[in-house]
Order: sequence, then C-alpha cells, then structure tokens
Amino acid sequence: EPEVTQTPSHQVTQMGQEVILRCVPISNHLYFYWYRQILGQKVEFLVSFYNNEISEKSEIFDDQFSVERPDGSNFTLKIRSTKLEDSAMYFCASSPVARDSYEQYFGPGTRLTVT
Amino acid sequence: LAKTTQPISMDSYEGQEVNITCSHNNIATNDYITWYQQFPSQGPRFIIQGYKTKVTNEVASLFIPADRKSSTLSLPRVSLSDTAVYYCLVGTYNQGGKLIFGQGTELSVKP
Repeated sequence: EPEVTQTPSHQVTQMGQEVILRCVPISNHLYFYWYRQILGQKVEFLVSFYNNEISEKSEIFDDQFSVERPDGSNFTLKIRSTKLEDSAMYFCASSPVARDSYEQYFGPGTRLTVT
Repeated sequence: LAKTTQPISMDSYEGQEVNITCSHNNIATNDYITWYQQFPSQGPRFIIQGYKTKVTNEVASLFIPADRKSSTLSLPRVSLSDTAVYYCLVGTYNQGGKLIFGQGTELSVKP
C-alpha cells in the first residue's frame, strides 16, 4: 500500500536556525498539506498546496514558513528562523484529486525540537 | 465550520464494542462527517466518512441519525491495538480543503 514518507524522523536545531522538513507524498496524489501537533495538543492545519502554489494557509503559517515542491516527488516545509514554540510534530499529508479531500493520507511525522 | 463535541476519554476492555458519540449541532447541509484515528507518535489515519444513516467498512461503523446533529463511531470487538485518539470532523471537503481537528477522544483498551 502506498505511503507518505517523511524525513528526518527527528530534527534537533538551535533557535534561529533554518530547518527543512521533507515529505514524499503518494505518487498519484496532487494535493499536499502540512499540519503540526504540539505535544499534548490537537493537530493544527498549516498549509495546503496544489498545482505548485499555496491553496490555503493558516495564521500559524507566517513569513517564517515556506513550502516548495522542488521536483516531481518531494514536498518540503522550510522554517527560516526557528523559535522555541516551533517545537512540535510536523505531519505531511496528501490526497488524490479525484476525490473529496476528507480522506487525507498522513505521513509518520517529523519531530522538531528547537533548543 | 461546524463545532464538534466528543468525550475527552473512554475506557474499554478487549472484546467489547465501543461507541464514541460526537455532537455537531450546527452541521450544515453540505457537511460530511469524518472520523480519524491517531496512535501515539503517528499521523492521523482516516477511518470512515458518512453523510446520513449508516456506513460500515472493515474497521468501523458510523451511525448518523436523521437530524444529523450527532454521529456515533462504533468499533466492534476492540483489541489493545485500538488504543488511540479518535477524532470527529465535520465539514465540506472541497478538493484541497483542510481538516480541522478537535481534541478527540482518547480511547484506552485494557486487557
């Protein structure tokens, strides 16, 4: 069964550093998403992406965040200058274009720790 | 987006049927009801989706009364591996639409 994959599984960085989280969505999916979950809290939507542009973004997704699909398979989330409060699990998800997007396929997540 | 309310936690024993009810009093005509499951340190996983009446798949059943103001996720004969957080989501998921998660129900299955 196809899966969404994410690398790295755990990233430790110092405050102010840039991080790039990587995702490989399911190959025939065309909608991509990033969510995050701070420890003990609910899953929060960050951004959705389709046809090489952002479809929607939340208030969390400020100028410090950016997304990119640099090639035909990878989907990345960049945080330019990390803050302590960026520490969280970051989940990538994808959904196929032919169906309603309520069924999104999530990756295993990247645990980001900012020190 | 319709607000959802579900119990914060539930306990069960192996082999029992578990029913988790979600209230969504202001559900809109075009809204669908979707349930996700999340194991610790993993991403959420889609379980089931419905609009009205009853939907069943290999994992669960979803019961939706005629007024659609609530829904019940039914897990038959749970095992220890069903211990997870279960989320009820309500919305109109146009292609590319975001998922809005609440706090979910933390189900603990005991031997």
